[in-house]
Amino acid sequence: QQQVKQSPQSLIVQKGGISIINCAYENTAFDYFPWYQQFPGKGPALLIAIRPDVSEKKEGRFTISFNKSAKQFSLHIMDSQPGDSATYFCAASDASGNTGKLIFGQGTTLQVKP
Amino acid sequence: DAGVIQSPRHEVTEMGQEVTLRCKPISGHDYLFWYRQTMMRGLELLIYFNNNVPIDDSGMPEDRFSAKMPNASFSTLKIQPSEPRDSAVYFCASSLIGWGEKLFFGSGTQLSVL
Repeated sequence: QQQVKQSPQSLIVQKGGISIINCAYENTAFDYFPWYQQFPGKGPALLIAIRPDVSEKKEGRFTISFNKSAKQFSLHIMDSQPGDSATYFCAASDASGNTGKLIFGQGTTLQVKP
Repeated sequence: DAGVIQSPRHEVTEMGQEVTLRCKPISGHDYLFWYRQTMMRGLELLIYFNNNVPIDDSGMPEDRFSAKMPNASFSTLKIQPSEPRDSAVYFCASSLIGWGEKLFFGSGTQLSVL
């Protein structure tokens, strides 16, 4: 119940295309859903996050879509660029209780071809 | 601020040796986390501290692993004795508030145990 399942494991997209990464969770106590971006040789960095009181959050070319009833959320990268090539991790936690751990998905390696 | 600083960046050691990884969190951050990243298991939380006190060490693999935070600006993760299966990238992260807040990751320590 603590798992966050992420798909696909890898993704290749042409420049200008839309990249979509999906995550699913089981624990209904989760109330904080961030996405982290990791470049080779670097630590993960927070990209965008959402709480379940909204169904969508957009920051520039990055959008999180959240479906509370299905217990799923996804990251959409519009107009994908070669610089977006990185590994993306979804995560979830019971933030309001501040006692739950941040559980990460397995990661998706995105390659954007020029 | 320089961000979360980890040392060393790379560590190569032989099985049975003691390994000490170091972390300096961002000044003012009350939470410090140690994560391990492997291809097989992804990002795993090992232990986290709040105000220098260990709160949850349930992710520590076994007694060979220990972590300390003697003050607000320094933490260590020690493995004694090290084994080849400990080879991984170890990340330290800090945050201001906790699970509902942005985690800032260091660049990690690439550990290879031969």
